[in-house]
Amino acid sequence: QSVLTQPPSESGTAGQKVTISCSGSSSNIGSNTVAWYQQLPGTAPKLLIYSNHQRPSGVPERFSGSKSGTSGSLAISGLLSDDEADYYCAAWDDSLNGYVFGTGTKVTVL
Amino acid sequence: EVQLVESGGALVQPGGSLRLSCAASGFLFSDYTMNWVRQAPGKGLEWLSYISRSSSSIYYADSVKGRLTISRDNAKNSLYLQMNSLRDEDTAIYYCARESSGYDFDFWGQGTLVTVSS
Repeated sequence: QSVLTQPPSESGTAGQKVTISCSGSSSNIGSNTVAWYQQLPGTAPKLLIYSNHQRPSGVPERFSGSKSGTSGSLAISGLLSDDEADYYCAAWDDSLNGYVFGTGTKVTVL
Repeated sequence: EVQLVESGGALVQPGGSLRLSCAASGFLFSDYTMNWVRQAPGKGLEWLSYISRSSSSIYYADSVKGRLTISRDNAKNSLYLQMNSLRDEDTAIYYCARESSGYDFDFWGQGTLVTVSS
């Protein structure tokens, strides 16, 4: 079962900004960094954001991450049709001694 | 180029066993912690297991503890997942993922499908 809670879906028109929340607890996000993954239909997940707000090489600046207390968030600005995908947050959980993923958010470009 | 290639997925009956493999290339395998993650059809991602560089530290999700065993062979650049007492709910795509130094999975394989059904 997922320990990190995300909204099931978010949507926006092309060019708009969408923000996805990720709610955790003191044992995971409150104590460790948050990563975000993008999963395009039929493909493996891809690292989008690491260490709360860092972007791997090749990830556009339109994607940004932040963390506050026991929550993280992912913002996608200048929404493109190519951004239609499932997005997952993740963090290490000190109580479970393992990683936990978010419930996942499906982003739709209207 | 970093590559992770899983294999071993198959159709197996409930109660059966399966061993998954993940062949790594394009990086020094022994320098990285590795993990297994799965995704049931139409569902989200579920972390399964972690193994440190020298296999000295191993962790499992509570949902699979006692049934799954992670291992690695640094000489063969390979990661493994032994799966026993398989259940219908173990049906999923299984991914191996390389862990960077910062609590994230920076590279993923393409996945291998395990179907548990009679």
